[in-house]
Amino acid sequence: DQQVKQNSPSLSVQEGRISILNCDYTNSMFDYFLWYKKYPAEGPTFLISISSIKDKNEDGRFTVFLNKSAKHLSLHIVPSQPGDSAVYFCAAVPNFGNEKLTFGTGTRLTIIP
Amino acid sequence: EAGVVQSPRYKIIEKKQPVAFWCNPISGHNTLYWYRQNLGQGPELLIRYENEEAVDDSQLPKDRFSAERLKGVDSTLKIQPAELGDSAVYLCASSSLAGGGEQFFGPGTRLTVL
Repeated sequence: DQQVKQNSPSLSVQEGRISILNCDYTNSMFDYFLWYKKYPAEGPTFLISISSIKDKNEDGRFTVFLNKSAKHLSLHIVPSQPGDSAVYFCAAVPNFGNEKLTFGTGTRLTIIP
Repeated sequence: EAGVVQSPRYKIIEKKQPVAFWCNPISGHNTLYWYRQNLGQGPELLIRYENEEAVDDSQLPKDRFSAERLKGVDSTLKIQPAELGDSAVYLCASSSLAGGGEQFFGPGTRLTVL
C-alpha cells in the first residue's frame, strides 16, 4: 500500500522554465511533508519542507504548495537549472519531530540546456 | 564537517552468503536509521536507533537481518544468508534533536546478490 505517491516517474523541462513535481498521499495522519533531492551514487539530501498548517513554503527558487483537502503537494522550481537534474522524492511524517519518513517512489527530473 | 560515512560502497555476493554494511553517523547525532531502497522505489525504513537502543525495528526482516549500534555511535547491518531479493541500495541516515530532526543520508551501499 503506497501511502505517498509520485505518479510521474520522469519529467523533462527546458532550462529557465518552471519545473512542477507532484505528490499525492493517502494517509490523513500525515502532518509534515518534505522534499529530498538525490543525485546518482549519493544519498538523498533535504530540500524543503512544509507543515500542514501552511499551504505554501518558499526557499529561493524552490516553492512547495500543499493542498490538504486534496491530499496533494507540489514542488515548483523556477527558473530550472541544469544542476537541478536529479531524482526528487516526496516524503511525509505524521507530525513534525516524528522521525518515521514515508517516501514516494521518486520523479527523475531532467533539465534540458 | 564530515557527513554520514558508509562502507563498502558496492558489494556483489552470491546468494546464501553473509554480508555486512557499516555506517558512521555525523558526530553528535544520537539517532541513526537504516533504509533499504529497491530499484525504482523510495527508501523504506528498516530500523531506527536512539543512541544504542533500537526503538523501531518493525520493518526489519528478523529471520535474516540483524543490526547493532554498540556504544551508540557507528552501526552495522548484517544479512545472513542473503537472497536474490535483497539486491538494493542500503542507506544509513542520522539526525539530532538539536538539528531539528532533519535526516542526513550517507551515499549508500549498493548490494547485488547473484
